[in-house]
Amino acid sequence: GIQVEQSPPDLILQEGANSTLRCNFSDSVNNLQWFHQNPWGQLINLFYIPSGTKQNGRLSATTVATERYSLLYISSSQTTDSGVYFCAGRDSGGSEKLVFGKGTKLTVNP
Amino acid sequence: NAGVMQNPRHLVRRRGQEARLRCSPMKGHSHVYWYRQLPEEGLKFMVYLQKENIIDESGMPKERFSAEFPKEGPSILRIQQVVRGDSAAYFCASSRGSGGHGYTFGSGTRLTVV
Repeated sequence: GIQVEQSPPDLILQEGANSTLRCNFSDSVNNLQWFHQNPWGQLINLFYIPSGTKQNGRLSATTVATERYSLLYISSSQTTDSGVYFCAGRDSGGSEKLVFGKGTKLTVNP
Repeated sequence: NAGVMQNPRHLVRRRGQEARLRCSPMKGHSHVYWYRQLPEEGLKFMVYLQKENIIDESGMPKERFSAEFPKEGPSILRIQQVVRGDSAAYFCASSRGSGGHGYTFGSGTRLTVV
């Protein structure tokens, strides 16, 4: 099965700073998604991005499937961006299960 | 258009009791997935169901855990004779179909076994 690795594991920022979170995956991935788990535990869908680039406000994501990585960019970070960011991918072998990375814990200080 | 609805949000059970977790998928979604998140960890796949069928249960513990998705009503994840190690957040996701569609997750049920 595929493996998903995220870096960095922890990130502390001052409000207003920019950041890049990385997700490497070990094999071909059909579905690549980014999620934000807020401090209350809710899991929020950020991007479904099997390839290419998408933007949503201050967030954008890029997946380069041929090189097996995806990046999540957060610009002008706010305290409400704090939480854990997960990327997850589905094995191209046909399994429907998503394999999650261990996440990047982001803390944005005022 | 309501999202994936899970209830209850929090559930406390004594060791040995049964836990029933419910998940109603998004309107138009016929595929349901259950995941478990242990403290400080990522989510781990448990089971994938379509209406009245279990498609993949490779992530389910062999004993005490079962899941169903009946023709009518929500999907149910059932844990019999709960133990402290079952304490976790259980998330349900749904999708419109298989083969490359994005998944939408519910808010989760946090199970605490005392």
